Amino acid sequence: DSGVTQTPKHLITATGQRVTLRCSPRSGDLSVYWYQQSLDQGLQFLIQYYNGEERAKGNILERFSAQQFPDLHSELNLSSLELGDSALYFCASSAGTSGGAVEQYFGPGTRLTVT
Amino acid sequence: KNEVEQSPQNLTAQEGEFITINCSYSVGISALHWLQQHPGGGIVSLFMLSSGKKKHGRLIATINIQEKHSSLHITASHPRDSAVYICAVSQGGSEKLVFGKGTKLTVNP
Repeated sequence: DSGVTQTPKHLITATGQRVTLRCSPRSGDLSVYWYQQSLDQGLQFLIQYYNGEERAKGNILERFSAQQFPDLHSELNLSSLELGDSALYFCASSAGTSGGAVEQYFGPGTRLTVT
Repeated sequence: KNEVEQSPQNLTAQEGEFITINCSYSVGISALHWLQQHPGGGIVSLFMLSSGKKKHGRLIATINIQEKHSSLHITASHPRDSAVYICAVSQGGSEKLVFGKGTKLTVNP
């Protein structure tokens, strides 16, 4: 158990809908990362937050947004869902920022199926 | 060309065999990570290294910065080692990970 929690575990929804995925980092960790794992693209970095502020952005679609709250939990919002958004979404956390060499602890993931 | 390349894509071994999985990268990195993903989907961080060699139980990870190459070795492999092993790098001052496509390892009893 990494100490990172994600809810829900599974989510099935229809095209055009909006969903929110939630992540709670390990106790004391300030950084949260969101990753998407799809069959065709593999694992891809979406976005990073550090202590409530956006720190880095990856291949995140405009239909997707995220935020990190004062209690450090984070939410990833996916809207106008398309079939291609079906994937595993992972959250990871780390203690802080150190110029790259930081160990990340992954949550169990949320499996999103868009029908 | 992907920034992180892994080989082989698939690997089948008999219990007890010595396993090697390779990772090559084409960018400057601050660290290289080896991750394990079990069939249930969860991802576990095995190693983070920026130089030399690390060992944890039957797992050994090495990195050659000059050659931009890393290897993950599993000694005395066991069916419970069956998983997808993923190499990832963090570049320069960024903590975001760039992933290889993974190596699916199956260890038969």
